[in-house]
Amino acid sequence: SQQGEEDPQALSIQEGENATMNCSYKTSINNLQWYRQNSGRGLVHLILIRSNEREKHSGRLRVTLDTSKKSSSLLITASRAADTASYFCATDESGATNKLIFGTGTLLAVQP
Amino acid sequence: NAGVTQTPKFQVLKTGQSMTLQCAQDMNHEYMSWYRQDPGMGLRLIHYSVGAGITDQGEVPNGYNVSRSTTEDFPLRLLSAAPSQTSVYFCASSPEASGNTIYFGEGSWLTVV
Repeated sequence: SQQGEEDPQALSIQEGENATMNCSYKTSINNLQWYRQNSGRGLVHLILIRSNEREKHSGRLRVTLDTSKKSSSLLITASRAADTASYFCATDESGATNKLIFGTGTLLAVQP
Repeated sequence: NAGVTQTPKFQVLKTGQSMTLQCAQDMNHEYMSWYRQDPGMGLRLIHYSVGAGITDQGEVPNGYNVSRSTTEDFPLRLLSAAPSQTSVYFCASSPEASGNTIYFGEGSWLTVV
């Protein structure tokens, strides 16, 4: 079964607004990553946060991680039409599983 | 750098046929993996490899076979295609299995009729 579940499944906002996506997972993790996928393309890495980190920034992206709640959030500030894409969280489970498990994704539509 | 290259981009198969999806990376990455992506299901891990000569099963391995004879190549074989294997397939690689960025290919669209 999926390790990560994103919420909401779909999100539509206006350009300039902030977009927040959430990810919940089931087991202890080494790290959590967020990826972006434009329609018909492969996934592109956005940011990685380790289990001992609580918050990380990269440009207009802010990621938080709460290991006690087994959840993470991705905030995109001042969104642009070009941010329209699907966003996925992926977790690297603790232990030697060597597996990166993806969630079901959030489809973000930014209206110009 | 080409990164991760997948071929073919599109393929239509008849039920029962076999085929191989090719994946090659030129980044000298040890870890390679195959995912399938279906609507509303996200990406599911099929098989992965932590280095040449080593492969292991992911979440949905049935009906697929892999081998890793070189660091660069990680082909995915469909043994006897079924309509349930209609999907988009992504190959990915990273320097190691844990704690690294994963680099994805552009995907292979497979339809089984």
